[in-house]
Amino acid sequence: QKEVEQNSGPLSVPEGAIASLNCTYSDRGSQSFFWYRQYSGKSPELIMFIYSNGDKEDGRFTAQLNKASQYVSLLIRDSQPSDSATYLCAVNRDDKIIFGKGTRLHILP
Amino acid sequence: AAGVIQSPRHLIKEKRETATLKCYPIPRHDTVYWYQQGPGQDPQFLISFYEKMQSDKGSIPDRFSAQQFSDYHSELNMSSLELGDSALYFCASSFPGSVTGEFPHEKLFFGSGTQLSVL
Repeated sequence: QKEVEQNSGPLSVPEGAIASLNCTYSDRGSQSFFWYRQYSGKSPELIMFIYSNGDKEDGRFTAQLNKASQYVSLLIRDSQPSDSATYLCAVNRDDKIIFGKGTRLHILP
Repeated sequence: AAGVIQSPRHLIKEKRETATLKCYPIPRHDTVYWYQQGPGQDPQFLISFYEKMQSDKGSIPDRFSAQQFSDYHSELNMSSLELGDSALYFCASSFPGSVTGEFPHEKLFFGSGTQLSVL
C-alpha cells in the first residue's frame, strides 16, 4: 500500500461546478497535509495546507481533514478552465514530504 | 520575488556518463530537497539538506550524491547514468522555524526542474 493514495483520474468537471479531490494516507502519525497543483511539465505549487481536523477555506479552495479516517480532500468551487492540472496530495512523514501520484483534473468549458 | 533556481533546464546524456544538477534556493531558505519525477509519476524524495548537512535520505541510488554548500546552493551528482534515470529532477527549498502553530519548513517551494534525458 502506498503511503499516500489518490485516484489518478482524469476527473472531468464542468466549468462553474465544484471539483472534489480525495486522498488517503497510511501513517496515522502524520500531522501535516498539503495540496500541490502541478501543470503539465511544470513544478508543483503549494496551494493549501491543513493541520487540524475539519475544514480550511482559502478563496475558492477548501481543504478537509479527517484524521480518524486518514482522509484529506480538496474542494474547488466555481471551477475554471485554468484549474485543469494534476493535484498532488502530500503528507509530512518524519520530516519527509511524501507525495501521492496525483489526480488529473479536467475542467470542461 | 526570487524563486528557486535550477540549472540546467534540460540535459541530455548518454548511458554511463555523469551529470551535475544545480539548485539555488530562495534567499534565507536553508533547507533544500531533491525530488525525482518520472513521466506520469509522483515526485519521489531523494535527499534533503538542512544548514549544509544532510538531513534525510530517501530512494536515492548509491550512484547519486549530493551536497549543500556554504552559500546554501546544492548540487546533485549522478554517475554511471542509466536509461531509467531519465526524469524531471526538482529541487525545493523551505524556510525554517515555526510561526503561530504553523511549520514553514514543511512548505516547499519548487524550482522549475531539470529534465534529464539519458540516451
